[in-house]
Amino acid sequence: ETGVTQSPTHLIKTRGQQVTLRCSSQSGHNTVSWYQQALGQGPQFIFQYYREEENGRGNFPPRFSGLQFPNYSSELNVNALELDDSALYLCASSLAGIAGVTGELFFGEGSRLTVL
Amino acid sequence: SQQGEEDPQALSIQEGENATMNCSYKTSINNLQWYRQNSGRGLVHLILIRSNEREKHSGRLRVTLDTSKKSSSLLITASRAADTASYFCATPQIGGSNYKLTFGKGTLLTVNP
Repeated sequence: ETGVTQSPTHLIKTRGQQVTLRCSSQSGHNTVSWYQQALGQGPQFIFQYYREEENGRGNFPPRFSGLQFPNYSSELNVNALELDDSALYLCASSLAGIAGVTGELFFGEGSRLTVL
Repeated sequence: SQQGEEDPQALSIQEGENATMNCSYKTSINNLQWYRQNSGRGLVHLILIRSNEREKHSGRLRVTLDTSKKSSSLLITASRAADTASYFCATPQIGGSNYKLTFGKGTLLTVNP
């Protein structure tokens, strides 16, 4: 158990819809990162939030957006869903400054999104 | 884009045998990490090796790093059925204010009882 919880665990949407995924970080961790993992692939970095602001972004379009709240929990929002958005979405928490030293990210179990 | 590439893509062995997985990467790194993922679940950090280290051990895990060849290997000794999982190497972005990992595509290890 990493102490990182994600919800929902599974969901099905149709093309064009919008989805919100939620993540509670491990106690004391102030940084949350989101990753997308397509079937058979490694996780791809979407973006990271630190102190409620986006702090780095991967190669994902603006319809992928996020929020971080004062309690460090986070949301990932995806608008105008496309079939290729079907994937496992992973949230990872860390403590800024420490992660760069220890290297370890703590992952949740993920939210499996299917877009029909 | 994928920074690391694991080899082989899939590996099937018998319980008790050793499993070796390799990872190649493209750019300079300050550390390399290995993560494990049980089928469709979250990733678990296994071990980190720094660029100035050549070998590191943790329990039944042994990791080597060759920065001149931009490659790493993960050895699992005396494998168990519970070791069945996907294994990913990951490298962090150097510099900048954020901290992100770039993962390879992974090696699917199956340990047969």
